[in-house]
Amino acid sequence: RKEVEQDPGPFNVPEGATVAFNCTYSNSASQSFFWYRQDCRKEPKLLMSVYSSGNEDGRFTAQLNRASQYISLLIRDSKLSDSATYLCAVNFGNEKLTFGTGTRLTIIP
Amino acid sequence: EAGVTQFPSHSVIEKGQTVTLRCDPISGHDNLYWYRRVMGKEIKFLLHFVKESKQDESGMPNNRFLAERTGGTYSTLKVQPAELEDSGVYFCASSHHLAGETQYFGPGTRLLVL
Repeated sequence: RKEVEQDPGPFNVPEGATVAFNCTYSNSASQSFFWYRQDCRKEPKLLMSVYSSGNEDGRFTAQLNRASQYISLLIRDSKLSDSATYLCAVNFGNEKLTFGTGTRLTIIP
Repeated sequence: EAGVTQFPSHSVIEKGQTVTLRCDPISGHDNLYWYRRVMGKEIKFLLHFVKESKQDESGMPNNRFLAERTGGTYSTLKVQPAELEDSGVYFCASSHHLAGETQYFGPGTRLLVL
């Protein structure tokens, strides 16, 4: 079993819809959690850190569920510019990030 | 503030040749990381520097890979001799000295070994 797992998609979602991704992790001692966004042939860019209390940044909401060992990302009122690959990353306490394979999202006009 | 920069952006070499990748972290960042994405796979950790010291090199594939960070500023990753399976995108990331800090990624070097 992989340490960090994501549904690779692709998710094809109409513009304006709400879309949610989940990411599961295997190590209960995990310390910090992140969602990165990666555009085609570009570097991963931090979208949000994920905190136990949940956090929101505009149309984006991230949640952490330690009991079930997953994090989620919710995108409301999706825009064409949201089309990208969304990467879940976990720091298991050793400072290195362990990534999922990424979930590809395409917003359809 | 300038971001993480990497050089070259692309490299195409033949099997058996040597390639050296360079990473300049964000100024003031003590932590520097190398990651690699092989086609179709997830991004995987290679190694972590704290200043000039190797903190963790558990992800280095084998002894054909040599990373250095003399003076604790920029870092190089040398592959010698390169093999076909070394092809991929090599990302560098940096972060502040505090544990758990956000890692900022460079644009990557796309390496193709023929």
